[in-house]
Amino acid sequence: GAVVSQHPSRVICKSGTSVKIECRSLDFQATTMFWYRQFPKQSLMLMATSNEGSKATYEQGVEKDKFLINHASLTLSTLTVTSAHPEDSSFYICSAGRPNTEAFFGQGTRLTVV
Amino acid sequence: GQQVMQIPQYQHVQEGEDFTTYCNSSTTLSNIQWYKQRPGGHPVFLIQLVKSGEVKKQKRLTFQFGEAKKNSSLHITATQTTDVGTYFCAGQENYGQNFVFGPGTRLSVLP
Repeated sequence: GAVVSQHPSRVICKSGTSVKIECRSLDFQATTMFWYRQFPKQSLMLMATSNEGSKATYEQGVEKDKFLINHASLTLSTLTVTSAHPEDSSFYICSAGRPNTEAFFGQGTRLTVV
Repeated sequence: GQQVMQIPQYQHVQEGEDFTTYCNSSTTLSNIQWYKQRPGGHPVFLIQLVKSGEVKKQKRLTFQFGEAKKNSSLHITATQTTDVGTYFCAGQENYGQNFVFGPGTRLSVLP
């Protein structure tokens, strides 16, 4: 099946710094990628939809200036958490799919801000 | 907006017992998918249901899509400790749109 690679899998950063998370579709072209956030013991909540070559669409309550999303190619989308704070500590996961097929998820990134 | 609900939130069963989780969407879906997330892991795709009334089986797992395409169920026969995890359903109103995930059902299996 299709593979979506996400890295890093874990990252610890200092408060105030920025962290970039990459999501790659390895064997197919993904015109749309989705970024989700999962707090402990909760479900996945959509943060934003990333479209290749255009600006991302953010869900209500998600700060676009804090969570920068770039989708420069059909196989790569990045999420940058800027000026991270401890409350940004969470599990971030991307997914990519093609029309009429299932979505494939990356392995997720556990972000800890200290 | 679209909402997806799941019940129960938690389920503890003895190994060998059956288990069912139910998923309900506030809107009609084009398709519904089920995922399993092991503790500390990421969601893993289990199955996709597309047709009204569709029933699919994977060994001890039986998935069903309601006639109105607004609800679905996952039934596990004779649970095993390897079935432990959180089962999420995710509904998509139209292909290409994002999935809306249910809150998940966390299954514990006591040996």
